[in-house]
Amino acid sequence: AQSVAQPEDQVNVAEGNPLTVKCTYSVSGNPYLFWYVQYPNRGLQFLLKYITGDNLVKGSYGFEAEFNKSQTSFHLKKPSAVVSDSALYFCAVRDGLTGGGNKLTFGTGTQLKVEL
Amino acid sequence: ETGVTQSPTHLIKTRGQQVTLRCSSQSGHNTVSWYQQALGQGPQFIFQYYREEENGRGNFPPRFSGLQFPNYSSELNVNALELDDSALYLCASSPGTSGTGELFFGEGSRLTVL
Repeated sequence: AQSVAQPEDQVNVAEGNPLTVKCTYSVSGNPYLFWYVQYPNRGLQFLLKYITGDNLVKGSYGFEAEFNKSQTSFHLKKPSAVVSDSALYFCAVRDGLTGGGNKLTFGTGTQLKVEL
Repeated sequence: ETGVTQSPTHLIKTRGQQVTLRCSSQSGHNTVSWYQQALGQGPQFIFQYYREEENGRGNFPPRFSGLQFPNYSSELNVNALELDDSALYLCASSPGTSGTGELFFGEGSRLTVL
């Protein structure tokens, strides 16, 4: 069974400072990893993904994430946070070994708050 | 290019009733997935439809069922509603079932069961 852990319910950061939102995962085969963002009363928006290749992936709005196979982690980062980054962030995983199409397993989410 | 649209946006039902939620997929997308997001939780996979057939199911009872139509739109039906079915129901579409691409989510249908 696949699982995702987001150990922090909330992350607070000052505008202009770097931010990190943590994610660890567990899958049987090679992982397909994703980050999505959710604004209040809205659906999820895709930020970035890791399927294969370079461990550092870049995505929308200046976000990036680093895949670390030995630590089974996929932390989301941004060099300089802005207030509009404040939202709920979800890490998700799919087992690349087995079937299941678009069955993603999501973490419980991390609320990011960027303060002036 | 229109995005994923869901209806209704909000609805209130009582225990034991039945509900139908609807989803129009993004243009060109032939795969629709449904997720349930309870308050304070991450989305949980209910099932996926590809070419009008269920193609993958999560840990949900049979009273959760669905349909996909030739135009790739989809319905989620829930029978014998329970209080715990109160949640945001998200529909997501994609141009295939490879699992490597991003999912395009609608804004959801918020169901309250009293």
